[in-house]
Amino acid sequence: GAVVSQHPSWVICKSGTSVKIECRSLDFQATTMFWYRQFPKQSLMLMATSNEGSKATYEQGVEKDKFLINHASLTLSTLTVTSAHPEDSSFYICSARGGTGANTGELFFGEGSRLTVL
Amino acid sequence: GEDVEQSLFLSVREGDSSVINCTYTDSSSTYLYWYKQEPGAGLQLLTYIFSNMDMKQDQRLTVLLNKKDKHLSLRIADTQTGDSAIYFCAETMNYGGSQGNLIFGKGTKLSVKP
Repeated sequence: GAVVSQHPSWVICKSGTSVKIECRSLDFQATTMFWYRQFPKQSLMLMATSNEGSKATYEQGVEKDKFLINHASLTLSTLTVTSAHPEDSSFYICSARGGTGANTGELFFGEGSRLTVL
Repeated sequence: GEDVEQSLFLSVREGDSSVINCTYTDSSSTYLYWYKQEPGAGLQLLTYIFSNMDMKQDQRLTVLLNKKDKHLSLRIADTQTGDSAIYFCAETMNYGGSQGNLIFGKGTKLSVKP
């Protein structure tokens, strides 16, 4: 099946620094990628939807200047947490959706990236 | 708005069947999914069902969909200790700019006792 790779899996950074998380679709072209955030003991919260070559669409309450999303190619989307603070510590998960074929409705998830901000 | 509800905990003995239930509110759902999350890991897609289907079976997994009651269930036959995880039910709809977005339940933590 389709594979989505996320990197890094774990990252620890100091407060005030920026962290970039990559999401790659390894064997299919992802026209749409989604970024989720998971708070402890809670479900996933959609942060933003990104389509290749266009600006990301952010959900209400998500700061676009804080969480920069770039979807420069059909196989790569990046999430940059700028000037990270301890409250940004969380589990970030991306998912990718192919554009055509039997898997059109299917989303494939990355393994997730755990960010800890000291 | 859209809402997906699941019970939070389920405990079964190894070898028994597990049934995880989920209800959703939006009748325009097109796909319904079950994901598995093991401790510290991302989400793994287990199976999904189109909204025009009633049942889907995949090895030990059986998904039942009751569209009238907006009820989805996941049955795991011969549950093993390796099945211990959190199981998320999710729905997706196709409308406007939110095509493909998933709405998740809070997850059901399945504990399998030897």
